[in-house]
Amino acid sequence: GAVVSQHPSRVICKSGTSVKIECRSLDFQATTMFWYRQFPKQSLMLMATSNEGSKATYEQGVEKDKFLINHASLTLSTLTVTSAHPEDSSFYICSASVTSGITDTQYFGPGTRLTVL
Amino acid sequence: DAKTTQPNSMESNEEEPVHLPCNHSTISGTDYIHWYRQLPSQGPEYVIHGLTSNVNNRMASLAIAEDRKSSTLILHRATLRDAAVYYCILSGSNYGGSQGNLIFGKGTKLSVKP
Repeated sequence: GAVVSQHPSRVICKSGTSVKIECRSLDFQATTMFWYRQFPKQSLMLMATSNEGSKATYEQGVEKDKFLINHASLTLSTLTVTSAHPEDSSFYICSASVTSGITDTQYFGPGTRLTVL
Repeated sequence: DAKTTQPNSMESNEEEPVHLPCNHSTISGTDYIHWYRQLPSQGPEYVIHGLTSNVNNRMASLAIAEDRKSSTLILHRATLRDAAVYYCILSGSNYGGSQGNLIFGKGTKLSVKP
């Protein structure tokens, strides 16, 4: 149980184009999903918290107009990188939160490798 | 957010136990201790979590100090597939709403030698 998928797993795009990444919880419903970014040899950095039916909460320094998040259902959240530039090239990882008792456990997707040329 | 301190790297031999330490001296009474691991080019994988008592599951054991200022993740028999970066993270309880944000540090890179 608690499987999270991401699509696509890898994408290469030209500078200035937009890229959409999907995150799905396959066997459970997730009120809250998270989006992270990981640059080479660095740790994961939380970008935003996505809540179903409401606006995402962005971390300081993350441009909400550049990284559009939509959490349309309890099993799907999407991240759209608008007008992508080479500096946006990174490993994007989503997670979905499951409440167990009084704490939450996050289950992560396999990640999406974005390369902007 | 409460901070954790882990060694940058550790080495182990295959089929031997591994003890991965984590210090969290500023832990609050409601913080849970979570462990995740990340294999190369993959998303993190949940390993185990606990509050006060030691915990066991099919992947590992979590030993929590009595004062909760430190914990140890125990892999009973390391395999080559256990080579990964292991993250020790504190996360608040979700009283009145989720506080499930995870702040990842640099973790411990575990190497397993055949």
